[in-house]
Amino acid sequence: EVQLLDSGGGLVRPGGSLRLSCAASGFTFSSNAMSWVRQAPGKGLEWVSAISGDGTSTYYADSVKGRFTISRDISKSTLYLQMNRLGVEDTAVYYCAKRYSCSDERCYGFDYWGQGTPVTVSS
Amino acid sequence: EIVMTQSPLSLPVTPGEAASISCRSSQSLMDSNGYHYLEWYLQRPGQSPQLLIYLGSHRASGVPDRFSGSGSGTDFTLKISRVEAEDVGAYYCMQGLQTPFTFGPGTKVDIK
Repeated sequence: EVQLLDSGGGLVRPGGSLRLSCAASGFTFSSNAMSWVRQAPGKGLEWVSAISGDGTSTYYADSVKGRFTISRDISKSTLYLQMNRLGVEDTAVYYCAKRYSCSDERCYGFDYWGQGTPVTVSS
Repeated sequence: EIVMTQSPLSLPVTPGEAASISCRSSQSLMDSNGYHYLEWYLQRPGQSPQLLIYLGSHRASGVPDRFSGSGSGTDFTLKISRVEAEDVGAYYCMQGLQTPFTFGPGTKVDIK
């Protein structure tokens, strides 16, 4: 059974840092692209970042580029999101999500999601 | 960045009746192979999102056949043939053609 377990969220001051983790099981971790998606309180879904299955390609939303870094440790089947210079606008529940499959170089379908880990940026 | 819009933003439904949600993208979501990179998700209250439809019209594993996706180019539709109480929640379309992936604002479906 595929499982994604998000962790690492919490309360942090503006300008601070956090590292989120997503422990994956039930599938070959290196075979699937992964993403982080966030949801601010009472708002819709916002894609944050993606990484290829082998970890060599990464992509970011403009709102986090230069501040967040996505990575994956295939030996630990764990996805990470290092978040630096956090601002109040980064307050959200953060979900990791697994890409279902790929055709050529494009992948499609977030078929499994973590339970989400809340991040609150406040002074 | 591809901008996604949805209508309506709120949809009261009667169990047993059909419902439809429209999604529009600011540019075509079709790639050179003819695939449409449009996905639909349902987020039930208090839960993580769930994949319903990928590549415009392909139902995800375990999704009831009362859900169907259609459309091409920039215009897509999610249809629920007979709404059930468990279908309540927020429905989002998302384009996966290019990064940044972008979601529509969501359509909140509730029971009349």
